[in-house]
Amino acid sequence: NAGVTQTPKFQVLKTGQSMTLQCAQDMNHNSMYWYRQDPGMGLRLIYYSASEGTTDKGEVPNGYNVSRLNKREFSLRLESAAPSQTSVYFCASSGTFRQPQHFGDGTRLSIL
Amino acid sequence: AQKITQTQPGMFVQEKEAVTLDCTYDTSDQSYGLFWYKQPSSGEMIFLIYQGSYDEQNATEGRYSLNFQKARKSANLVISASQLGDSAMYFCAMRDESGGSNYKLTFGKGTLLTVNP
Repeated sequence: NAGVTQTPKFQVLKTGQSMTLQCAQDMNHNSMYWYRQDPGMGLRLIYYSASEGTTDKGEVPNGYNVSRLNKREFSLRLESAAPSQTSVYFCASSGTFRQPQHFGDGTRLSIL
Repeated sequence: AQKITQTQPGMFVQEKEAVTLDCTYDTSDQSYGLFWYKQPSSGEMIFLIYQGSYDEQNATEGRYSLNFQKARKSANLVISASQLGDSAMYFCAMRDESGGSNYKLTFGKGTLLTVNP
């Protein structure tokens, strides 16, 4: 039972570098989400995809882009990393009404 | 807009005792869902319990129960018979369930629970 798989688990970048965080789910869920978690802030939604082919901004989208590659995969891209994007990033997916979101194990990203 | 407030940054409880973690919410949605997640020090997010706004009974899942008071807009998590493994960060979250296919969650800032032996 893989559930939601995120890669990589850890990454260190220099300011200005770009990278893509990968997320895949095997639960046949329609909706997928990217959150960031900062100390004392809880989880904040960056972008989400309600269904294959659609994406929408969440609470903190600036500096990020996303791609819903297919029903299984939802990637998050940092085009020009900034120290303020140092955080733990979680991908999640959910099915339909009343079903909880299932989370990946997170990616710990440090930007120097 | 939805808002979740968890007023207890940290809580301590003795092993085998019960503990209540507070959560209040604000929303204009007619139908909504309330969730609790556990985040141990290893970092993963673990779903604990769900309460729908139109559910007539409080949700229970093993040692977890949700004390849902709709008029007071509160959804407190009660953990009975605390165990050392319950030491973790706990997040309350909610989402609109009025319709459509967007089920994004709004999270509170969390409560760090420490269970003492």
